[in-house]
Formats: sequence, structure tokens, C-alpha cells
Amino acid sequence: SQQGEEDPQALSIQEGENATMNCSYKTSINNLQWYRQNSGRGLVHLILIRSNEREKHSGRLRVTLDTSKKSSSLLITASRAADTASYFCATRVDSSYKLIFGSGTRLLVRP
Amino acid sequence: NAGVTQTPKFQVLKTGQSMTLQCAQDMNHEYMSWYRQDPGMGLRLIHYSVGAGITDQGEVPNGYNVSRSTTEDFPLRLLSAAPSQTSVYFCASSLIQGAAEKLFFGSGTQLSVL
Repeated sequence: SQQGEEDPQALSIQEGENATMNCSYKTSINNLQWYRQNSGRGLVHLILIRSNEREKHSGRLRVTLDTSKKSSSLLITASRAADTASYFCATRVDSSYKLIFGSGTRLLVRP
Repeated sequence: NAGVTQTPKFQVLKTGQSMTLQCAQDMNHEYMSWYRQDPGMGLRLIHYSVGAGITDQGEVPNGYNVSRSTTEDFPLRLLSAAPSQTSVYFCASSLIQGAAEKLFFGSGTQLSVL
């Protein structure tokens, strides 16, 4: 089974609304990363949060990490149609260089 | 900079054929990896490498072989293609230490095995 699981699997919102995606993982991690994938393209890195950090911001993105619950959330504020994509969390397992991806959340932002 | 370059972009194989997917990066990244992505799913790690001469297995290594003779190149070999290997394959690389651990991805290879 996969290390990371995103919730929800799919999300549809109106432009201007906020979008929240959650990620749960199973083992101890060094860091957690979020990536975006536009249809048919490679993934693009959005943000990285380390295991000793609790919150991080980048533009309209806000990521939180709760290591006690083994979970993270990605908040996209004031969403735009261009934010329509799939979003994946990925965890770098402690003492390993491997980056393991979750199953993703498909976000649709309606104009 | 070209970043991460994958070739070919599309490939059709018959069951039992072998082939090599090429991946090259020009960013002097120590870490390189191969993932496969099946429809509607996330990425699963096949093999990875932390430097020339060093490779290791990921989540789904069976049926695939890799080598890392140079820092720049990390080819993925399908030894005897099977329909279950029909997928989109992504190569990705990163630096290992510090904040620059984010992966840079190639544009993918769409492989169909008939």
C-alpha cells in the first residue's frame, strides 16, 4: 500500500473559493512535499515542509504538518481556473532518500 | 538549461520485447529516480540512485533494470515487456542535501505493451 493517501480524491470548487487537500502517511518522515500535475504533464514541485516545521507559506499556498497525527494539509486560497490540476503529497522517509507519492487529489476550479 | 530529458515520448512494444527508456539531466543532481503512473493513480517508485555506481529498488522494481554509470544518465531497461507495464514513466532528479531536495521531472514516456 502507498505511504501517502490524499483526501478527498476529487474536489470541485468555484473560482475565488479556498481549496483544502489532506494527506496522511504511515511512517516517520524527514520531509513532506506537495506537487502539482497538469493533465498529461510531469509534476511540478510546490512546497516542502520538514518534520520539525508545523506550517509553511508560499504565495497562495499554505501547508501544515502534524507529525503526531502523521498528516498534512495543503490550502490554496482564492483559487483560480489555472489551479485546476492533480495535487500529490510525497514523503521522504526517515533515513532514506526515497520519495514516495500518494494517490493524489484532482482539483477542478470552475470559472 | 534543458533540465531532465526523457526519450522517447511515446513507445509501443509487443509482449516479450525489451527496450531502454533514456533519462538525462544537466543539473549535476546526485539523486535520480524512475516512477510509473497508471491512469488515475499516483506515482510508484521503480528504482532510484544516489550517485554514479549506486542504485536501489523502489516500490515496484520487478521487470525493470537500471544502471548509473555517469551522474547525468539513468536509463531504465524493460527486460521482457508485459502488458502490465503499460504506463506513463517519469524520470526525476534532485540534489540530496539541504533545502534543494525537490524533484525535477521529465515530461514522461507513454509506453504501451500489446
